Amino acid sequence: EPEVTQTPSHQVTQMGQEVILRCVPISNHLYFYWYRQILGQKVEFLVSFYNNEISEKSEIFDDQFSVERPDGSNFTLKIRSTKLEDSAMYFCASRGTGNTEAFFGQGTRLTVV
Amino acid sequence: GEDVEQSLFLSVREGDSSVINCTYTDSSSTYLYWYKQEPGAGLQLLTYIFSNMDMKQDQRLTVLLNKKDKHLSLRIADTQTGDSAIYFCAEGMDSSYKLIFGSGTRLLVRP
Repeated sequence: EPEVTQTPSHQVTQMGQEVILRCVPISNHLYFYWYRQILGQKVEFLVSFYNNEISEKSEIFDDQFSVERPDGSNFTLKIRSTKLEDSAMYFCASRGTGNTEAFFGQGTRLTVV
Repeated sequence: GEDVEQSLFLSVREGDSSVINCTYTDSSSTYLYWYKQEPGAGLQLLTYIFSNMDMKQDQRLTVLLNKKDKHLSLRIADTQTGDSAIYFCAEGMDSSYKLIFGSGTRLLVRP
């Protein structure tokens, strides 16, 4: 069964450092998403991406965040200068055209120290 | 604004039915979803319902939607210990299909 894969599963970084979280969406999907879940809190929408551009972003997704689809398979989330409050589980999701179901990856746990 | 609320915790005995409730605020939601999250794992889609439906049944799962009251419920029949997890309600918007999640209900199934 096709699945969304995320790497790494856990990343520890120092405050102020840049991190890149990687996702490989399902191969024929065209819509891509990043969500985050701070420990004990709701899963929050960050950004949606379609046709090589951001289609929607939340207030959380400020200038410190960026997304990219550098090749035909990867979808990345970059945080330029991490803050302690960026510590969270980050989920990537993808969706096919005409499909209402978004498939989520297993998540990357980001810990900023 | 968009908001989804759920009760935080539910404990049931194995074999009983579980009912997890959810309320949402945005009447323009097109789809409503239930996701399951097991410890340390990602979000697994269990089922979803289109906003013009009242009910959907899928094996042990029954979803009820009261659009007037903006209330969604998930009933799990014959609950098993393997059903212990956090269950998230989410609403999806037609335009972007972004999901707005509730805070999750932790279901504990006692043997």
